[in-house]
Amino acid sequence: GAVVSQHPSRVICKSGTSVKIECRSLDFQATTMFWYRQFPKQSLMLMATSNEGSKATYEQGVEKDKFLINHASLTLSTLTVTSAHPEDSSFYICSARDRASYTDTQYFGPGTRLTVL
Amino acid sequence: AQSVTQLDSQVPVFEEAPVELRCNYSSSVSVYLFWYVQYPNQGLQLLLKYLSGSTLVKGINGFEAEFNKSQTSFHLRKPSVHISDTAEYFCAVTPGGGFKTIFGAGTRLFVKA
Repeated sequence: GAVVSQHPSRVICKSGTSVKIECRSLDFQATTMFWYRQFPKQSLMLMATSNEGSKATYEQGVEKDKFLINHASLTLSTLTVTSAHPEDSSFYICSARDRASYTDTQYFGPGTRLTVL
Repeated sequence: AQSVTQLDSQVPVFEEAPVELRCNYSSSVSVYLFWYVQYPNQGLQLLLKYLSGSTLVKGINGFEAEFNKSQTSFHLRKPSVHISDTAEYFCAVTPGGGFKTIFGAGTRLFVKA
């Protein structure tokens, strides 16, 4: 099946620094990628929809200046958490939609655990 | 708008027993339905999906689900569970032709020896 990778898998940073998370579709092209946030023992919360070559669409309540999304190519989207604070600590998961598929199936990355000290 | 309700937050079951994880949805348009499994500190893995056609869908790891349009349900079943099935299970819907996927709150399946 289709594979989506995320890097890094785990990151610890100091408060006030910025962290970049990469999401790559390894064997397919993804015009649309999604970024989710998951708190412990909770479901996935959609943060934003990333479209290749255009601005991301953010969900209500998500600060676009804090969570910068760039989808520069058909296989790569990045999420940058700017000026991170402890409350940004979470599990971030990306997913990608295969542009060649009509089934609207999303393929999920393995997630990135962010811990802000 | 769509919504997904997973009726059980936790389901404890003994090994080799059958299990059913319940999922109900609401939508004013046709939807695609999915079940995902998440193991600790990992992303989501697709178990199965219903797009159209036969209402009984078979997935990986011996799981199956049945789409019931009249009851707007998509319950997940397995006739005999293993310890390794212990995980979080998410039901999800995507409106046909749409982009956003709506996830249920998740059901924690705990298989006991």
